[in-house]
Amino acid sequence: GNSVTQMEGPVTLSEEAFLTINCTYTATGYPSLFWYVQYPGEGLQLLLKATKADDKGSNKGFEATYRKETTSFHLEKGSVQVSDSAVYFCALSEPGGATNKLIFGTGTLLAVQP
Amino acid sequence: EAQVTQNPRYLITVTGKKLTVTCSQNMNHEYMSWYRQDPGLGLRQIYYSMNVEVTDKGDVPEGYKVSRKEKRNFPLILESPSPNQTSLYFCASSPYGLAGGYEQYFGPGTRLTVT
Repeated sequence: GNSVTQMEGPVTLSEEAFLTINCTYTATGYPSLFWYVQYPGEGLQLLLKATKADDKGSNKGFEATYRKETTSFHLEKGSVQVSDSAVYFCALSEPGGATNKLIFGTGTLLAVQP
Repeated sequence: EAQVTQNPRYLITVTGKKLTVTCSQNMNHEYMSWYRQDPGLGLRQIYYSMNVEVTDKGDVPEGYKVSRKEKRNFPLILESPSPNQTSLYFCASSPYGLAGGYEQYFGPGTRLTVT
């Protein structure tokens, strides 16, 4: 079945460091790909998305590119801030919304130290 | 303000005592869904609804019920809670189904403990 694998956390970085959180997926066809962020004590909110191969999603300085050839959607940010500390979830929705659900990775906790 | 609300936010209960977690959205969304979040497992879908009176099972529906009598509300019902249903629950909504990569909007979560 379809699945999402993302790197284990926690990831601890100093402020202004470069961030990469790896995400790979298994799916037939062309799923839509998402990064959601969960700040402490809150629900998830969409960070960025890409709906077709080679699309780049971006928001708040974060970027991710939909790579069909490597089945990846890695999250990057050039300079992290303390306020970026949160849990990041990679997710996919199956092509055509076939099953009407998001398939989530297990989440990666990011802790940014001043 | 466009939002998804859930109540209660925190609940401690005992095994077998029926409970309902309410979910409401004010965005006129057709699609609503319930997830549970457990450490090391990410979020898993419990049930979803494409519209009023249309519901379907997700990946982990056992022990849960839902209903969709109005477009804005999608309550989650635990008829006889058990300790393995201790979890963090999220309700989500989307304008339509997930075809086309529509964003889901999540509620703030309900932390349930069953003793």
